[in-house]
Amino acid sequence: AQSVTQLDSQVPVFEEAPVELRCNYSSSVSVYLFWYVQYPNQGLQLLLKYLSGSTLVKGINGFEAEFNKSQTSFHLRKPSVHISDTAEYFCAADLNEKLTFGTGTRLTIIP
Amino acid sequence: DGGITQSPKYLFRKEGQNVTLSCEQNLNHDAMYWYRQDPGQGLRLIYYSQIVNDFQKGDIAEGYSVSREKKESFPLTVTSAQKNPTAFYLCASRGRDRWPDTQYFGPGTRLTVL
Repeated sequence: AQSVTQLDSQVPVFEEAPVELRCNYSSSVSVYLFWYVQYPNQGLQLLLKYLSGSTLVKGINGFEAEFNKSQTSFHLRKPSVHISDTAEYFCAADLNEKLTFGTGTRLTIIP
Repeated sequence: DGGITQSPKYLFRKEGQNVTLSCEQNLNHDAMYWYRQDPGQGLRLIYYSQIVNDFQKGDIAEGYSVSREKKESFPLTVTSAQKNPTAFYLCASRGRDRWPDTQYFGPGTRLTVL
């Protein structure tokens, strides 16, 4: 069975500092990988996705992620965060038309 | 505007009552999903449907039921058999024409059992 691990449940970062949110997956077959963002009391919004091709994927709001097959990782990065980035971030893997989600990372931006 | 609507946004129920959560989409998507979200546990799949009149159990289907009589609608019933129904419920849909397509989410329904 595949699983998705987000090791950090909470990440505090100063405004304008860089951030990396970590995601590892376990699967014996190729998967498609996604990052979603959730603002309080709202649904999830897609940030970016990796399907194939270039391992560096760019998404909305200045976020990017790098697929690393040897380390089975798909870490999310942003070079300079803003207050508006405060939210919960979910990594997900698609296998057999179903998404498996990580437990989420709450990103808090410190002014 | 195309999208997914869920109603109501907040729902309160007494113990022992069944309650139905609505999910409608006008994206012409074939596949629809129901997730439950609890703090610190991420999203867990309750039921999903890949085509009208067909649906499959997800990881935590016990105490829930669904129907898929129309392409645009996928209501979820939380029955009295669900031991701990208080949670945030999210509906999603996905096209199947160009795979893998993105899964789009509705705004969610927060259910509280009193």
